[in-house]
Amino acid sequence: KNEVEQSPQNLTAQEGEFITINCSYSVGISALHWLQQHPGGGIVSLFMLSSGKKKHGRLIATINIQEKHSSLHITASHPRDSAVYICVSPGGSQGNLIFGKGTKLSVKP
Amino acid sequence: KAGVTQTPRYLIKTRGQQVTLSCSPISGHRSVSWYQQTPGQGLQFLFEYFSETQRNKGNFPGRFSGRQFSNSRSEMNVSTLELGDSALYLCASSLTAGVYNEQFFGPGTRLTVL
Repeated sequence: KNEVEQSPQNLTAQEGEFITINCSYSVGISALHWLQQHPGGGIVSLFMLSSGKKKHGRLIATINIQEKHSSLHITASHPRDSAVYICVSPGGSQGNLIFGKGTKLSVKP
Repeated sequence: KAGVTQTPRYLIKTRGQQVTLSCSPISGHRSVSWYQQTPGQGLQFLFEYFSETQRNKGNFPGRFSGRQFSNSRSEMNVSTLELGDSALYLCASSLTAGVYNEQFFGPGTRLTVL
């Protein structure tokens, strides 16, 4: 059974800080997703990555398939980055996605 | 291109009733997946449909069912509602089936069971 663990569960930062959210999973996979969920429920897919690093604006995602670990970084954080960030791994017993519990980020001005 | 739409956005039902939720995927997307989100369990996979066929089903009771139409629109149905079915139900569409495709999420339907 694939377990997806995220840390930290909650994170409060000051505007401008560099943010790191970590995700570990237990089953060998080929790729992993990062999602962003804003207050109100809307979910946006940020990245799907299978190796190395991907960058989109101030967001950077890295993955190490051998170590079963991924990180999401936010540079120069801004209050609009306040959201829940969710790591998602394939590998469910029903061939589906397994979701981490999420990291709730709050960026203060 | 229009995004994924879900109707209704909010719904209040009572125990024992049944409910049908609708999801219209992005034009050209043939796969639709459904998820349930609750404060206690987080996001959980319900089922995935591709070309009108259910490909995968999560660990939910038979009261939860779904279908997909030839235009890729999908519905999910919950019969004999229980208090614990109160949740945000999200659908997501992707071009093809499988867990390695980028999924585009709808705004969700918030179901409250009284």
